[in-house]
Amino acid sequence: QKEVEQNSGPLSVPEGAIASLNCTYSDRGSQSFFWYRQYSGKSPELIMSIYSNGDKEDGRFTAQLNKASQYVSLLIRDSQPSDSATYLCAVLDSSASKIIFGSGTRLSIRP
Amino acid sequence: GAGVSQSPSNKVTEKGKDVELRCDPISGHTALYWYRQSLGQGLEFLIYFQGNSAPDKSGLPSDRFSAERTGGSVSTLTIQRTQQEDSAVYLCASSLANTDTQYFGPGTRLTVL
Repeated sequence: QKEVEQNSGPLSVPEGAIASLNCTYSDRGSQSFFWYRQYSGKSPELIMSIYSNGDKEDGRFTAQLNKASQYVSLLIRDSQPSDSATYLCAVLDSSASKIIFGSGTRLSIRP
Repeated sequence: GAGVSQSPSNKVTEKGKDVELRCDPISGHTALYWYRQSLGQGLEFLIYFQGNSAPDKSGLPSDRFSAERTGGSVSTLTIQRTQQEDSAVYLCASSLANTDTQYFGPGTRLTVL
């Protein structure tokens, strides 16, 4: 059973600080990784995708991938109350047949 | 262009009735996914269509659930003899190919009384 694991939270971070969200996956052959954000009562929307080891930055967001450790993370700098949401990690399995989602981490930014 | 659309947005039904949920993917997207999300829970994969290949039905929870995709576009998820535990938001997503970003529809909130 291929799995994607996330801490359910809630993770509480003060406004302006860095929020760090983590995800581990079991399928060593996975090649594509995604972070989605889901506001309460809304559908998930893509924040970032990452395919290579290392860091990928987009504005206040940085995705980090370490395939050897089977670990992917999302950093949010200068956290804002509007960042409060559930963040879903998703991994394309090694057979490239489908994307598997983690259960999500609930992030709360406190003013 | 238009995003993924789903209908109805809300559906209330009585236990034992059949329901049909519809998904219109983004034009040209060959991959289509159905997920279920119960309140406060993560996404539960149900079924996946990719082009003309046989669908991956490995996530369907029981034989009361079925889905089809006609002409490689619109998809219908059917739940027969609904049960109260079927109450959830049913989300549809589409992507250009199975390896690409998924774009989600607004979901259908199903309530079984």
